[in-house]
Amino acid sequence: GDSVTQMEGPVTLSEEAFLTINCTYTATGYPSLFWYVQYPGEGLQLLLKATKADDKGSNKGFEATYRKETTSFHLEKGSVQVSDSAVYFCALSDRAGGTSYGKLTFGQGTILTVHP
Amino acid sequence: DAGVIQSPRHEVTEMGQEVTLRCKPISGHDYLFWYRQTMMRGLELLIYFNNNVPIDDSGMPEDRFSAKMPNASFSTLKIQPSEPRDSAVYFCASRRGLTYEQYFGPGTRLTVT
Repeated sequence: GDSVTQMEGPVTLSEEAFLTINCTYTATGYPSLFWYVQYPGEGLQLLLKATKADDKGSNKGFEATYRKETTSFHLEKGSVQVSDSAVYFCALSDRAGGTSYGKLTFGQGTILTVHP
Repeated sequence: DAGVIQSPRHEVTEMGQEVTLRCKPISGHDYLFWYRQTMMRGLELLIYFNNNVPIDDSGMPEDRFSAKMPNASFSTLKIQPSEPRDSAVYFCASRRGLTYEQYFGPGTRLTVT
């Protein structure tokens, strides 16, 4: 079945440092890929997405590129802020339509803490 | 829009008691999902509904768990009887059609003592 593997955390960085959180996936077909973010005490929010190979998703300074050849979707940000402290989830979705409802499969989450 | 609304935000109960979690999806969304989040198992999909009909409940851990969606604006997840291992954060999410983005509620943190 489909699966998502994220780098283990927690990740601790100083403000303005460069961030990379690795994510690799296993899936049949051509999934869509997502990064969700969960701030303390809140539900998950979609951060960015990419629906086909070589697409780059971006939002709030975060970027991730859909790499089919390496089955990866690594999250990057050039300069993190304290407010970026949260849990980050990589996820994939099979293609919605027909008999598929577009189920989301999540990675285990990576805790990011940014210090001033 | 108010987003997905869940209640209560926190629930503490004793083992053996019945627990009911509530969810109001975003208006116009026809898919509703219930998830459970724990440190050990991460995020698990329990059940999902389409147009108020349960489609896949294969993630429901056992018969103690049940979920209903009597109308398009309300769903419940019930645990009876509750056990300490049910302690987790339970999320409800909704989605419009076959779009990709699921909108999550703030969650209900359940503690069973």
